Amino acid sequence: GAVVSQHPSWVICKSGTSVKIECRSLDFQATTMFWYRQFPKQSLMLMATSNEGSKATYEQGVEKDKFLINHASLTLSTLTVTSAHPEDSSFYICSALQGEINQPQHFGDGTRLSIL
Amino acid sequence: GQQVMQIPQYQHVQEGEDFTTYCNSSTTLSNIQWYKQRPGGHPVFLIQLVKSGEVKKQKRLTFQFGEAKKNSSLHITATQTTDVGTYFCAGRLGGGSNYKLTFGKGTLLTVNP
Repeated sequence: GAVVSQHPSWVICKSGTSVKIECRSLDFQATTMFWYRQFPKQSLMLMATSNEGSKATYEQGVEKDKFLINHASLTLSTLTVTSAHPEDSSFYICSALQGEINQPQHFGDGTRLSIL
Repeated sequence: GQQVMQIPQYQHVQEGEDFTTYCNSSTTLSNIQWYKQRPGGHPVFLIQLVKSGEVKKQKRLTFQFGEAKKNSSLHITATQTTDVGTYFCAGRLGGGSNYKLTFGKGTLLTVNP
């Protein structure tokens, strides 16, 4: 089955640090990837849609300069949380779309980010 | 904004009892997908419904898509402890090149053995 690898799983760092999270589709090409944020016992909130070779499409209220997304290849998208602060602490999870638009999204294991 | 509403938020059952979670959208959905997220895990795709009135079964799980393509349900017969987790519906609103899924808030199912 389709596998999506997300790294790192856990990050604990000081306020002001920038953190990069990688999302890789291991056995398929993903022209479209999605970045979500999930608070404890909450739903997944879409942050942005990442398209290979073009700029990401951000959801309303998501700061582009705060959450930098790069989708440089068909198998890799990165999310960089710049100058992270405690309020950025959350569970970040990516997904990759395999094939056509109506296909399911395959999720990575998520990254738990804690900013001290 | 456009939302997909999901109820109930929590459901606790005794093992062997049935369970149902419902999703409702104010707008017509192109399709609806269901995901399961175990505690501490990531969402795992269960099924996709596309056609009006569609019903699909996976062993003890039955998924339905409403005739108007605005609501959906997931029913689990005779729950087991392995069914524990949060079940999310996710709808694709509109059509065309809209790749986004709008997730419901999920229903957390706990099962008492």
